[in-house]
Amino acid sequence: DVVLTQTPPTLSATIGQSVSISCRSSQSLLHSNGNTYLHWLLQRPGQSPQLLIYLVSRLESGVPNRFSGSGSGTDFTLKISGVEAEDLGVYYCVQGTHAPTFGAGTKLELK
Amino acid sequence: QVQLQQSGAELAKPGSSVKISCKASGYTFTSYAMHWIKQTTGQALEWTGYIAPGSGGTKYNEKFKGKATLTVDKSSSTAYMQLSSLTPVDTAVYYCARAGYNSGYHFDYWGQGVMVTVSS
Repeated sequence: DVVLTQTPPTLSATIGQSVSISCRSSQSLLHSNGNTYLHWLLQRPGQSPQLLIYLVSRLESGVPNRFSGSGSGTDFTLKISGVEAEDLGVYYCVQGTHAPTFGAGTKLELK
Repeated sequence: QVQLQQSGAELAKPGSSVKISCKASGYTFTSYAMHWIKQTTGQALEWTGYIAPGSGGTKYNEKFKGKATLTVDKSSSTAYMQLSSLTPVDTAVYYCARAGYNSGYHFDYWGQGVMVTVSS
């Protein structure tokens, strides 16, 4: 199985601060068709996960543009440019290039 | 709007089976695969498998073969997951989530989750 390692496991931020979350894969996520199937989810407290970013950097409809994704191969980053209170929760990366697996999550909390 | 409405919480005894449901609305049911994802209390997420509602074709995570059985009822746009030979390890929240075919497991809509508790 492909292992996704997220860091840090916990992130403390103030409102307005910019933060980044790393997701590293044990194998390249570049598919033979040229796509890289690495996506990001947010799970707010008591809610189901929701899709934020797909295919590394494409913003899901309705997601604020303070969220951005980047990376290639085995190293990926989610950036939030100016944290807002509604951004608190657990962020997960998920890969679909191989049999799907999820990162362990990064909990974003208020400092 | 797209909605995935899941059935209620289940309390089951070890060795028994449960069947949970996920009713889809707001889109053409057969146009998307329906996936099932397990979340344990430690918050870890694990893909269980998916079913193609149009054909009934399935693909399972090797770990869940023999544990989970996925079916659909096209007439009611409802997907089902049966979990058999339950043990306390199966205690978790189970989500259904849809993803487009060839989307690389791009889970764009999720159900609210079903808590399955296995206890004697």
